[in-house]
Amino acid sequence: AQTVTQSQPEMSVQEAETVTLSCTYDTSESDYYLFWYKQPPSRQMILVIRQEAYKQQNATENRFSVNFQKAAKSFSLKISDSQLGDAAMYFCAYRRSYGQNFVFGPGTRLSVLP
Amino acid sequence: DSGVTQTPKHLITATGQRVTLRCSPRSGDLSVYWYQQSLDQGLQFLIQYYNGEERAKGNILERFSAQQFPDLHSELNLSSLELGDSALYFCASSHSGLAGSNTGELFFGEGSRLTVL
Repeated sequence: AQTVTQSQPEMSVQEAETVTLSCTYDTSESDYYLFWYKQPPSRQMILVIRQEAYKQQNATENRFSVNFQKAAKSFSLKISDSQLGDAAMYFCAYRRSYGQNFVFGPGTRLSVLP
Repeated sequence: DSGVTQTPKHLITATGQRVTLRCSPRSGDLSVYWYQQSLDQGLQFLIQYYNGEERAKGNILERFSAQQFPDLHSELNLSSLELGDSALYFCASSHSGLAGSNTGELFFGEGSRLTVL
């Protein structure tokens, strides 16, 4: 069965600095999607970024980028120029390309210090 | 706006009672997922439906049941409620997963916040 691990329960970053959240996963599949979701204090689940496993290029969305290492089964999220609004719980998630089951990691709580 | 609609947004009830949470998926999405999130906890997968049929079951209690109707909306029924059932219940939808038909992600509703007193 696929698993997703986020080894950092909590992290903090100074405003305007850069922070990297870690995620590793376990799968025997070759085609899959990986996601980072953000859950701010409002508790709404918001998609931050998506990566298709067949794409070698790392996904980027404005200040958010990933470091996707397929062989190492690692999918870290880098947040540049951190803002107070980035403070949230961040969940890493996995899905097989032709499957319907999503697997979520336990989450990393990010605090942004002014 | 994700396009997924959940009602009610907030619900307060007493132990032993029964409630129904409703979810309308995004237009065109055939799969509906239900998750439970207790305070400061992760997402617990409950159950998934695809086009009216149950496809996957997670840690769903026997007191809980769900269904997906022909118009693709889904309901989660929680009965004999206990204090520990207080949580945020998310519904999410996605495409079927067939090649070329989706962007892969789950689209979440805003959740139904259940408080059991």
